[in-house]
Amino acid sequence: QVHLQESGPGLVKPSETLSLTCTVSGGSISTYYWSWIRQPPGKGLEWIGYVYDSGSTTYNPSLKSRVSISLGTSKNHFSLKLSSVTAADTAVYYCARAYGSGTYYFDFWGQGTLVTVSS
Amino acid sequence: DIVMTQSPDSLAVSLGERATINCKSSQSVLYSSNNKNYLAWYQQKPGQPPKVLIYWASTRESGVPDRFSGSGSGTDFTLTISSLQAEDVAVYYCQQYYTTLPLTFGGGTKVEIK
Repeated sequence: QVHLQESGPGLVKPSETLSLTCTVSGGSISTYYWSWIRQPPGKGLEWIGYVYDSGSTTYNPSLKSRVSISLGTSKNHFSLKLSSVTAADTAVYYCARAYGSGTYYFDFWGQGTLVTVSS
Repeated sequence: DIVMTQSPDSLAVSLGERATINCKSSQSVLYSSNNKNYLAWYQQKPGQPPKVLIYWASTRESGVPDRFSGSGSGTDFTLTISSLQAEDVAVYYCQQYYTTLPLTFGGGTKVEIK
């Protein structure tokens, strides 16, 4: 059974960079698409972007100028960086797996981690 | 962007009764070359991540009870819970994956017990 776990700071100051890591266990990172999705408190879901096992990425155009998603060197984790954060970036951040090419629904999710942007 | 609009925002249904949730996309998510609708449904319970229930608009994920069904094509879709159980209280989201620029979700429908 694939297991995903997010980790990183729960508090980030305005204008700084939010950095999170998702550790994948119980399955290979190969041939799947690994995404970050966020959910502001009490609101809906917003897809941030994904990285494929080749390292290629696709980002939500609304966040593209501030986002970077990359695979880890050990290939059992991937990371999110979101720069120049504001209070509007406060959300629960989830990592998730999309099944494959052309099939971008999410079959495994992490439990999520709340990131608050505040000074 | 493909905008996904869900209705209603919330509904209250008696135990054992049918719950129907609608999802409308701003453009068709039916891919003509394979006749598949690129639409998924998720259930999210409080404090938990979303869980996929349905993909390809009508294919139930393994382990999902058969009281959950998906229907529709093109731009109009429905998630039906045929006999509401207490454990079905949750927020339900639709998601299109016809295009990844960007992947988009509906605003959610909250299902409660009447």
